[in-house]
Amino acid sequence: AQSVTQLDSHVSVSEGTPVLLRCNYSSSYSPSLFWYVQHPNKGLQLLLKYTSAATLVKGINGFEAEFKKSETSFHLTKPSAHMSDAAEYFCVVSNQAGTALIFGKGTTLSVSS
Amino acid sequence: NAGVTQTPKFQVLKTGQSMTLQCAQDMNHEYMSWYRQDPGMGLRLIHYSVGAGITDQGEVPNGYNVSRSTTEDFPLRLLSAAPSQTSVYFCASSPRLWEGLYEQYFGPGTRLTVT
Repeated sequence: AQSVTQLDSHVSVSEGTPVLLRCNYSSSYSPSLFWYVQHPNKGLQLLLKYTSAATLVKGINGFEAEFKKSETSFHLTKPSAHMSDAAEYFCVVSNQAGTALIFGKGTTLSVSS
Repeated sequence: NAGVTQTPKFQVLKTGQSMTLQCAQDMNHEYMSWYRQDPGMGLRLIHYSVGAGITDQGEVPNGYNVSRSTTEDFPLRLLSAAPSQTSVYFCASSPRLWEGLYEQYFGPGTRLTVT
């Protein structure tokens, strides 16, 4: 069965410093992977997706993620955090049939000034 | 386009009551789904539909019913509400039965409390 593990439930950074949100996945097939962001009391927005094309994926708002098959990882990074990046981030994998998204438990990103 | 809309935004139910959460999309998407979000659990799939007249169960279907009579609408029915169904419910849609190629668009959510 497919699964994702977000290695940190909470990450705190200072504004202007790099962001690293870690995600490992488990899948018996070549997966599609996503990062979604949820701002407080809002719905979910797609940040970026990997679908077996380039392993380095660029998303919105300066975020990017690198698919590493050997490490079964899909970590999300941003060179310089902004206050508006404070939110909950979900690493997500699709099931093999493509009928469902399987969510990690989320990482809360806090950004201090 | 309004995208994916959900009503109501908030709802309080007593144990044993029934209700329907509404979801509609105006993008002519084939695929629609319902998730619930609980603290520390991420989102979990309740039911999904790959087209009008076709529905299937997700990870946590017990206590919920769905139907899909039109492409646009995908209501979620709670038959007899229980406190364990207190959650935030999200509806999502995607252009077609996707293989990870199509983005899922999420509605704003319905916050349900069962007392």
